[in-house]
Amino acid sequence: DAGVTQSPTHLIKTRGQQVTLRCSPKSGHDTVSWYQQALGQGPQFIFQYYEEEERQRGNFPDRFSGHQFPNYSSELNVNALLLGDSALYLCASSLAGRGGANVLTFGAGSRLTVL
Amino acid sequence: AQKVTQAQTEISVVEKEDVTLDCVYETRDTTYYLFWYKQPPSGELVFLIRRNSFDEQNEISGRYSWNFQKSTSSFNFTITASQVVDSAVYFCALSVGLTDKLIFGTGTRLQVFP
Repeated sequence: DAGVTQSPTHLIKTRGQQVTLRCSPKSGHDTVSWYQQALGQGPQFIFQYYEEEERQRGNFPDRFSGHQFPNYSSELNVNALLLGDSALYLCASSLAGRGGANVLTFGAGSRLTVL
Repeated sequence: AQKVTQAQTEISVVEKEDVTLDCVYETRDTTYYLFWYKQPPSGELVFLIRRNSFDEQNEISGRYSWNFQKSTSSFNFTITASQVVDSAVYFCALSVGLTDKLIFGTGTRLQVFP
């Protein structure tokens, strides 16, 4: 049973460019959340997608956008990259309906470096 | 506002020592959940335990044990007889109400030396 898979694992971009990160949720899960983890910090919630719509959003600018597809996979897009966007981007999946009791399953992340 | 504090940034122990990782949380909600996740060098967060705000029963699972005290807003995690494979960053996290959005602490890096 495959867990959460993310691609690419590593990538390097320059300031001002745009990046797209991809996530396939664990089999049976229908909800995808994205987190940003800066070096030495805990993950910070970006947003969550359910039924192809953004359901919750954290304190991130509009440069961060996402999408969920009918097969529940998801993309995270970041426009106009800044040096401060360098981080590990984690995708987590869950099954809707259990609220705060949900245990999120995380992927290994995509490490983005902005030069 | 909700917040999770892990005051210990890094802990180093020698194999077979017991180690306790501290976690203090803040929330005004009466319904909430507390979690511990482990992050090995591979980067993937691995779920360890979940506790809800109505269940203060402490738990032991093998070498792991957890101490949840609402009176002090603490949810501490102890590893007994630590092993080198326990080396990782450990995160305490909080979710409140009907949302499964996690609020993480800054993590504690545990290094276990042989």
